[in-house]
Amino acid sequence: DAKTTQPNSMESNEEEPVHLPCNHSTISGTDYIHWYRQLPSQGPEYVIHGLTSNVNNRMASLAIAEDRKSSTLILHRATLRDAAVYYCILRPSGTYKYIFGTGTRLKVLA
Amino acid sequence: KAGVTQTPRYLIKTRGQQVTLSCSPISGHRSVSWYQQTPGQGLQFLFEYFSETQRNKGNFPGRFSGRQFSNSRSEMNVSTLELGDSALYLCASRPGGLSPAETQYFGPGTRLLVL
Repeated sequence: DAKTTQPNSMESNEEEPVHLPCNHSTISGTDYIHWYRQLPSQGPEYVIHGLTSNVNNRMASLAIAEDRKSSTLILHRATLRDAAVYYCILRPSGTYKYIFGTGTRLKVLA
Repeated sequence: KAGVTQTPRYLIKTRGQQVTLSCSPISGHRSVSWYQQTPGQGLQFLFEYFSETQRNKGNFPGRFSGRQFSNSRSEMNVSTLELGDSALYLCASRPGGLSPAETQYFGPGTRLLVL
């Protein structure tokens, strides 16, 4: 089964960029990569998703390696409100499953 | 558009009791998934319902069950509660198609404490 691996925790200074890595070496060719984050005392919320090429939205950017075995979520300017657990998730094509990793707890320092 | 709602938000039960949690998905969404979140095990998938049928199931004992109604609202039930069932139970809804680009929307969760 496909799986994702993320660092347990990371720290960043406020207003600096943050790069959150995810390894998914067992990914298949048509599996999508999704990122969600969970703020304290809330359910996870969608951040971004992509297949092969880099993706941007108002929240973040997603950089996907050429071989698709890893990806990086980029927060361009971290704020205190970005402190959360960030989950890298695989969505295998042809199934209805979402495969969650263990998440990275991001701490943002003022 | 209203988001995913879960009731109750907090619940305290004792060992051996049973509990029913409710989830109302976003209007038009036909898929509802349930997850258990604990500090030790992280987010674990329980089951998914689509059009009143269970479509996917995680590795949980039979004490955990669910159902979905014709309006897509879903309930999950845990019978014979154990201390280890204390967790945040999250519900997520989505339209329910096969596209791997489809996004899930999570509710705020129900925090269950078993004493």
